[in-house]
Amino acid sequence: DTGVSQDPRHKITKRGQNVTFRCDPISEHNRLYWYRQTLGQGPEFLTYFQNEAQLEKSRLLSDRFSAERPKGSFSTLEIQRTEQGDSAMYLCASSLGQGENGYTFGSGTRLTVV
Amino acid sequence: AQTVTQSQPEMSVQEAETVTLSCTYDTSESDYYLFWYKQPPSRQMILVIRQEAYKQQNATENRFSVNFQKAAKSFSLKISDSQLGDAAMYFCAYRRQSSNTGKLIFGQGTTLQVKP
Repeated sequence: DTGVSQDPRHKITKRGQNVTFRCDPISEHNRLYWYRQTLGQGPEFLTYFQNEAQLEKSRLLSDRFSAERPKGSFSTLEIQRTEQGDSAMYLCASSLGQGENGYTFGSGTRLTVV
Repeated sequence: AQTVTQSQPEMSVQEAETVTLSCTYDTSESDYYLFWYKQPPSRQMILVIRQEAYKQQNATENRFSVNFQKAAKSFSLKISDSQLGDAAMYFCAYRRQSSNTGKLIFGQGTTLQVKP
């Protein structure tokens, strides 16, 4: 297992288009997290899954955002009708248990909305 | 609500020297975890060091150590014998021990430059 993988690494899209990102966590990790990081800032929590269940969503996650983790394996994050304010790095992380020992992060997907 | 503040947007250090990055946090909880993460340019964020609030002893990982002052709500990172590969953005993060989500709250980050 090579860690947490995210695809694509970069995405440029026109305003109003839909985009979908994928995250493959470490296989034995039951928890998966999505964070958003804007330039020069720390990551902000968006949502997390325990196995296939989405248990918490931040108010940052507007109704244009949806995340899934079918079968408790990989996860997708979809943004509908993208806006320029959605431009950011979207980070995925996974952990075993509740993350008391920290997470393993992926390299992120950088979204640019033009 | 808990907050994490890193007051140094940028720091620089000469190779082989020692540098300290500052972090303060605000919480009403007594049990929590604190972390330092390193984010190299265009690379993934990796965990540098972790501290449990109930432990008085400061955590150490090779050249990295922390100065944890619980009463002052301060959690600084000391990097000894700095190397060029230490150049990165460093984030301080907080997690409630009782958190079911495991959600981390991050500071704004400090960019560390290492000069040869």
